[in-house]
Amino acid sequence: SQQGEEDPQALSIQEGENATMNCSYKTSINNLQWYRQNSGRGLVHLILIRSNEREKHSGRLRVTLDTSKKSSSLLITASRAADTASYFCATDWGTNAGKSTFGDGTTLTVKP
Amino acid sequence: DAGVTQSPTHLIKTRGQQVTLRCSPKSGHDTVSWYQQALGQGPQFIFQYYEEEERQRGNFPDRFSGHQFPNYSSELNVNALLLGDSALYLCASSLYGTGMNQPQHFGDGTRLSIL
Repeated sequence: SQQGEEDPQALSIQEGENATMNCSYKTSINNLQWYRQNSGRGLVHLILIRSNEREKHSGRLRVTLDTSKKSSSLLITASRAADTASYFCATDWGTNAGKSTFGDGTTLTVKP
Repeated sequence: DAGVTQSPTHLIKTRGQQVTLRCSPKSGHDTVSWYQQALGQGPQFIFQYYEEEERQRGNFPDRFSGHQFPNYSSELNVNALLLGDSALYLCASSLYGTGMNQPQHFGDGTRLSIL
């Protein structure tokens, strides 16, 4: 089964609103990453948060990590139609990058 | 700065055939990981190659095999194709030995359809 599980599976909002997606995982992690995937394309890395960090920002993105609850959230503020995509959380295991376990993603639709 | 490139972009095969997918890592990267992404699901880790050796493997049968060349590019081979192998195959590259806290860089994938 997948290590990470995103919630909700689908989210539809109006342009300008904020979007919040959640991710839960099962085992200890080295880090947690969020990726965006536009339809039929590859994954684009958004943010990496280490297991000893609690919050991280990048532009309109804010990620939190609660290792006691084994959960993370991704907040996109002031959403735009171009933010329409699927968003995945991934957890890394092992001693080097590249062995990630992904959830099944949240599909975000931002209506203009 | 060239990113991760994959070829071909689309491929149609029939059951029982064999297929080879190719990946060139991002410039400066030496490690390649392969993922399978079924429609509506997240990517699943197949295996990772570094120094021309398979370093780690996910839960995939040995019909899935790979290779890494001295220039760090990689191939994914799938034998005896099944309908369930239809998926987007993603390649990701990274730099080995720099620790686990670094992101992977993904290509746009190869869409494999099995008839």
